[in-house]
Amino acid sequence: GAGVSQSPSNKVTEKGKDVELRCDPISGHTALYWYRQRLGQGLEFLIYFQGNSAPDKSGLPSDRFSAERTGESVSTLTIQRTQQEDSAVYLCASSPAGREGAYNSPLHFGNGTRLTVT
Amino acid sequence: AQSVTQLDSQVPVFEEAPVELRCNYSSSVSVYLFWYVQYPNQGLQLLLKYLSGSTLVESINGFEAEFNKSQTSFHLRKPSVHISDTAEYFCAVSNFGNEKLTFGTGTRLTIIP
Repeated sequence: GAGVSQSPSNKVTEKGKDVELRCDPISGHTALYWYRQRLGQGLEFLIYFQGNSAPDKSGLPSDRFSAERTGESVSTLTIQRTQQEDSAVYLCASSPAGREGAYNSPLHFGNGTRLTVT
Repeated sequence: AQSVTQLDSQVPVFEEAPVELRCNYSSSVSVYLFWYVQYPNQGLQLLLKYLSGSTLVESINGFEAEFNKSQTSFHLRKPSVHISDTAEYFCAVSNFGNEKLTFGTGTRLTIIP
């Protein structure tokens, strides 16, 4: 079946512009995560959605970052007034498990969106 | 807080030679440990995981990892590598009740023919 789909695959934007990144998780997956990977660094947790629960936003680096999710489907990550340090690969992942069992189910990752802020 | 250290950013290995990719973690509570792999032009995918029970876990393609609590390690090994193992490997940790995976910086494994 279809995997996690992210769009666009590449995005080049000017400093100060807003960008919106999209993630289509695997159908039926209740959990959805956003991670960020800067060059030469590990995956940095940004935000976690689980069903209708309030999202865990503890990883968002500043108030310029926000994310939405419609039910258990599409999610969008928005970065306002982009800065050069926002340049990274933004990865989305989904999982079939609920909060109690998330550690027991593998995350299915998309191929990411490579964001370059000039 | 939990963290993961992968000391080797790149590991070149001759084909059919053994390999070990190192992973050390720190956590104040019991951990769950994972290795994810990213093949060229593909997304990350789970390679193997340790949740409980036997400290030695295996993947379907010949990799194994051993949970060592005293050394806080979860090194990944394979006795004989193939060209198709060329990929980036990420170690990750989470805790019961905290599903956020904390990832290491990754190790790029390059197989030399």
